[in-house]
Amino acid sequence: ETGVTQSPTHLIKTRGQQVTLRCSSQSGHNTVSWYQQALGQGPQFIFQYYREEENGRGNFPPRFSGLQFPNYSSELNVNALELDDSALYLCAIALAGGNEQFFGPGTRLTVL
Amino acid sequence: GQQLNQSPQSMFIQEGEDVSMNCTSSSIFNTWLWYKQEPGEGPVLLIALYKAGELTSNGRLTAQFGITRKDSFLNISASIPSDVGIYFCAGQIPLVDMRFGAGTRLTVKP
Repeated sequence: ETGVTQSPTHLIKTRGQQVTLRCSSQSGHNTVSWYQQALGQGPQFIFQYYREEENGRGNFPPRFSGLQFPNYSSELNVNALELDDSALYLCAIALAGGNEQFFGPGTRLTVL
Repeated sequence: GQQLNQSPQSMFIQEGEDVSMNCTSSSIFNTWLWYKQEPGEGPVLLIALYKAGELTSNGRLTAQFGITRKDSFLNISASIPSDVGIYFCAGQIPLVDMRFGAGTRLTVKP
């Protein structure tokens, strides 16, 4: 049981604002990845963190940034929000020694 | 970048029928994974495949890693109403990101 949790469950922001989404896991993990899932589409990779450093990045601008903490929690920060940022944001962890990623329930962000 | 083509987009089947969906890519992956997502939840891992040609089962689910490493399929036998959801394939290169298909929406009529 990885017990991946995300907060908040959902939130509403306006264009230009900044948002911080959080992810935590009950168990120790190797990497934490963040994904953006637009309505009706599959998740799209934003970036991955390993040992508190960014380990890989998808096709997302620098206003998407992240942090990984020693206590197995992680943050996704998005600055200067745009309407197209409205989506479900998912974090996924991979346990030490494994490749398989386990997802949290997601945070639904609406930008007005 | 690597793009995954997943088909069909949606399926409407009768309870008890078998289901087959597949994923193809123009790129090679080292790992293929199949996830199921239900409303309001994150994707849940169903099956992971690590070797070309590998055939793996998980209960009524069977998945195969294509020989060319560019495709995979998922079969569900004797479908039941709780199989309803969106099924995603994902291809992964080690230590890098996963690429997801657009999903297959499955509806099972009792």
